[in-house]
Amino acid sequence: QLQLQESGPGLVKPSETLSLTCSVSGTTISSSTYYWGWIRQTPGKGLEWIGSIYFSGSTHYNPSLKSRVTMSVDTSKNQFSLKLSSVTAADSAVYYCVRDVDTTMDLFFDYWGQGILVTVSS
Amino acid sequence: EIVLTQSPATLSSSPGERVTLSCRASQTASSDYLAWYQQKPGQAPRLLIHGASRRATGIPDRFSGSGSGTDFTLTISRLEPEDCAVYYCQHFGRSVRKTFGQGTKVEIK
Repeated sequence: QLQLQESGPGLVKPSETLSLTCSVSGTTISSSTYYWGWIRQTPGKGLEWIGSIYFSGSTHYNPSLKSRVTMSVDTSKNQFSLKLSSVTAADSAVYYCVRDVDTTMDLFFDYWGQGILVTVSS
Repeated sequence: EIVLTQSPATLSSSPGERVTLSCRASQTASSDYLAWYQQKPGQAPRLLIHGASRRATGIPDRFSGSGSGTDFTLTISRLEPEDCAVYYCQHFGRSVRKTFGQGTKVEIK
């Protein structure tokens, strides 16, 4: 059964870099069919797609976050990661890792991690 | 850029009733890329529908999706107590590649 699990610090100081990792089990992230992505959720802005990465390293980022986002993939560990730099309180959110179906015929997120709450505070 | 507007914001119905949720796009949107998700309190969203009308694996057939152009609908044919949740639509955007509506909260009377 495919599962995704987020890990990382739940508290990050303002101006520092938020770093999260998603561990994937039940499938290989090297599958040619899927991207792997990050979505965050806040009460005020709802669900916001942050970006997605292919196993080759090809990425799509949300333009509003692009200057601060770096995503990477480690196929040997079956993991992918998110770094968001220069965080502020506005980056406090529940962060989800997802499997991203992104083809010419389909566009959806079919598997989600349970989510991890990240708070930005000194 | 496509903006998705969901209505109503909150909906309250009784078990067994038919419920219709709306997702309106600000410009013509491909039905291939319209998806619906269900999010129960304290849980991650779950994929219900993709391609506007295709149920995801394991989704009960009381959930159905339809629509084209700018108007899309999620219908719950017979509302069950466990359907209490927030429902989101999602589509493809040219600059922001994946965008979500703001959600419709379904409450059970």
